[in-house]
Amino acid sequence: SQTIHQWPATLVQPVGSPLSLECTVEGTSNPNLYWYRQAAGRGLQLLFYSIGIDQISSEVPQNLSASRPQDRQFILSSKKLLLSDSGFYLCAWSIRTDQPQHFGDGTRLSIL
Amino acid sequence: AQKITQTQPGMFVQEKEAVTLDCTYDTSDPSYGLFWYKQPSSGEMIFLIYQGSYDQQNATEGRYSLNFQKARKSANLVISASQLGDSAMYFCAMRERGAQKLVFGQGTRLTINP
Repeated sequence: SQTIHQWPATLVQPVGSPLSLECTVEGTSNPNLYWYRQAAGRGLQLLFYSIGIDQISSEVPQNLSASRPQDRQFILSSKKLLLSDSGFYLCAWSIRTDQPQHFGDGTRLSIL
Repeated sequence: AQKITQTQPGMFVQEKEAVTLDCTYDTSDPSYGLFWYKQPSSGEMIFLIYQGSYDQQNATEGRYSLNFQKARKSANLVISASQLGDSAMYFCAMRERGAQKLVFGQGTRLTINP
């Protein structure tokens, strides 16, 4: 069966510091991969998606970037974090575009 | 424009009762999918049920069923025989044909009372 791993679970970072959140999927090949952000008490907003290695699409212009160096690895990065980057970040995968997306456990990011 | 509307910010239900969580959507695309997710306090998003716009029958998954009324553009989630473990946030989401993005509603916080 397929599993998705996301880490770290929580992160506290100062303003201006870099960020790297990692997500890996096991048990499937060439999945679609997604990064979402959830503000407190709100629904999810899609940040990036990828349909293949080194194929990244950005949905929202922002301070973040994403990379997919391997088939089942998706990384969310920032060179300099802003206070507004605080939130709950969720990675997700699907086997095809028309199939449900399955989410990791999320990373709670706090910027001080 | 808001595409998914969940009008119930919070609901309180007695254990073992059935509960209906409302969701209306807006799209001009004839082909789309509707999803419900559960988010417990721990934060993970758990996929519950899916309904395709061309599906003739309402989707069911165990105690979950989706009351799909296409003309009204509504996709309500029905949970039968609620349990204490059903207490969580519930999100309705939609994906239009060819789109990668799931568009989420604001969610409904469901609390099951013993």
